Amino acid sequence: GAGVSQSPRYKVTKRGQDVTLRCDPISSHATLYWYQQALGQGPEFLTYFNYEAQPDKSGLPSDRFSAERPEGSISTLTIQRTEQRDSAMYRCASSLTVLNEQYFGPGTRLTVT
Amino acid sequence: DQQVKQNSPSLSVQEGRISILNCDYTNSMFDYFLWYKKYPAEGPTFLISISSIKDKNEDGRFTVFLNKSAKHLSLHIVPSQPGDSAVYFCAAAVSGSARQLTFGSGTQLTVLP
Repeated sequence: GAGVSQSPRYKVTKRGQDVTLRCDPISSHATLYWYQQALGQGPEFLTYFNYEAQPDKSGLPSDRFSAERPEGSISTLTIQRTEQRDSAMYRCASSLTVLNEQYFGPGTRLTVT
Repeated sequence: DQQVKQNSPSLSVQEGRISILNCDYTNSMFDYFLWYKKYPAEGPTFLISISSIKDKNEDGRFTVFLNKSAKHLSLHIVPSQPGDSAVYFCAAAVSGSARQLTFGSGTQLTVLP
């Protein structure tokens, strides 16, 4: 595709519900990153994939957060039992390899009410 | 504990003049630094980077300076244009890792015509 796409762009959910966010990276990009961005702050690293492998989950805030990239392309980020503090912009980025620049998607704005 | 800090939330400059955006970091392991630019409703886009083996990198109107001893970097835009008005994020990474980026909180640059 032309760039990184994310869906949905906006998601409003009630506290306690599960949500799944989707990222479509640039095709042929091996590496995919997830970031969380609070209002007025820069993105914060959550996790990344190299193809389907997930070498680093150190940024995931709790075990309610999980991510998958089963076929090495599309990735999903799932938040179980959402809490109000999970409200944020969730950004996905992809890069050709870990050594190349990261291209960011437009993000998914999650609001937990 | 913020490892990358942008202490100026906003900056206004006149068209044609120089814009200087500043960034400080605390983690001495960081050896790769980047600037991203972000327009409203879009994801951050890569602008320019610098490795710690250099103290300056130039790309057209954009120059990044790195002062390792002061743990400080700056982005110079000369001459500034109204289209440069955006939020600028400074980011840092440890090369040789997966380059998960640590971002500052951003500076809103407004270039006045």
